[in-house]
Amino acid sequence: DADVTQTPRNRITKTGKRIMLECSQTKGHDRMYWYRQDPGLGLRLIYYSFDVKDINKGEISDGYSVSRQAQAKFSLSLESAIPNQTALYFCATSDSLSGLDTQYFGPGTRLTVL
Amino acid sequence: QQQVKQSPQSLIVQKGGISIINCAYENTAFDYFPWYQQFPGKGPALLIAIRPDVSEKKEGRFTISFNKSAKQFSLHIMDSQPGDSATYFCAAGPRGYTGKLIFGQGTTLQVKP
Repeated sequence: DADVTQTPRNRITKTGKRIMLECSQTKGHDRMYWYRQDPGLGLRLIYYSFDVKDINKGEISDGYSVSRQAQAKFSLSLESAIPNQTALYFCATSDSLSGLDTQYFGPGTRLTVL
Repeated sequence: QQQVKQSPQSLIVQKGGISIINCAYENTAFDYFPWYQQFPGKGPALLIAIRPDVSEKKEGRFTISFNKSAKQFSLHIMDSQPGDSATYFCAAGPRGYTGKLIFGQGTTLQVKP
């Protein structure tokens, strides 16, 4: 089983719809991240959470919200989706106790907003 | 505001050749410089990383060269293989392990047989 899972893997939605992307991890890591990937722009941080009670905005948080339901679960919501939110979304985790900075990425969710 | 600039955007190399990808950063507070490798349909995975106390780090065919004064670092893939065809991202992280990484724009590498 994958250590970091994302659901759904693909999603097509319409402008104005609310959508939630979910991330679960079995690695026992305390830190979780949401990124979006766009061609030519690389990976950009949307939100990150260092523990269940800690949520922080990243570079591009406008139009997005998150919820850390448990240490293992971190969801990303688009309250009212717009076409320029069409992108590949990745969840990642890291372990602050490891002494390493490695981030472990999920397989991604491809979101299309029509 | 792009704090880490990566080039080239795409690269084609013959099997056995050397692939070179370059990154430049602006913030002198960065002190952790990883490279991530991403295969189609997969999430990025850490390939190799360096801290500025050394100028070079080698792991197998992959080498990071780091130039602190120029604020540049590069990935060299020696004896490139078709299986190395992937997208490569450089990144930079600030001092003190905040867990935050700033990624470059990515380079798509194709190694031709």
